[in-house]
Amino acid sequence: DVKVTQSSRYLVKRTGEKVFLECVQDMDHENMFWYRQDPGLGLRLIYFSYDVKMKEKGDIPEGYSVSREKKERFSLILESASTNQTSMYLCASSLWELGIRNTEAFFGQGTRLTVV
Amino acid sequence: TQLLEQSPQFLSIQEGENLTVYCNSSSVFSSLQWYRQEPGEGPVLLVTVVTGGEVKKLKRLTFQFGDARKDSSLHITAAQPGDTGLYLCAGEKDTDKLIFGTGTRLQVFP
Repeated sequence: DVKVTQSSRYLVKRTGEKVFLECVQDMDHENMFWYRQDPGLGLRLIYFSYDVKMKEKGDIPEGYSVSREKKERFSLILESASTNQTSMYLCASSLWELGIRNTEAFFGQGTRLTVV
Repeated sequence: TQLLEQSPQFLSIQEGENLTVYCNSSSVFSSLQWYRQEPGEGPVLLVTVVTGGEVKKLKRLTFQFGDARKDSSLHITAAQPGDTGLYLCAGEKDTDKLIFGTGTRLQVFP
């Protein structure tokens, strides 16, 4: 059974704190993604990574950074948490196959982060 | 700027009714996926459409990819309470970057 695991379901942090959200996948997928989900806005891509140590900015990277030191692990970092970063954060992974550009994304259960 | 706009944003219907959800963009996508998300869970893939004009059926769900590969629709026939959830379209652009739509929240009442 394929699995994407996010380290926390719920998190409460104070404004200005540095926050780490961890994501691990056991499917040997090359691609990993971090999205945030807000009502009426769907999922917005923060960062994605197509290989170890590689990262690409998504649509809303400001205030975030990422780390991919190992293939199975993709971390999202909030350098200095702010209240407007209160949201549901979803991690996903997908397989990269040459010539096949429509691989399924597998999601974790999400981390609901509240910044107070 | 949201690349993929879904409509309607909310849909509340009675069991047995039909409905259509739309996913529109001004961009061309190499493929279009539809996901369903239930409360407390991550989205789960329903279908992928690749060719312009392609139609795929999944039991009572019919998915269509626009001829120009800029839009898609999801039609549900005789909706059931088990269809309740958040429906998300997602377009693939460039190096496997997946862009999601704004979402349609469907509630089907018995």
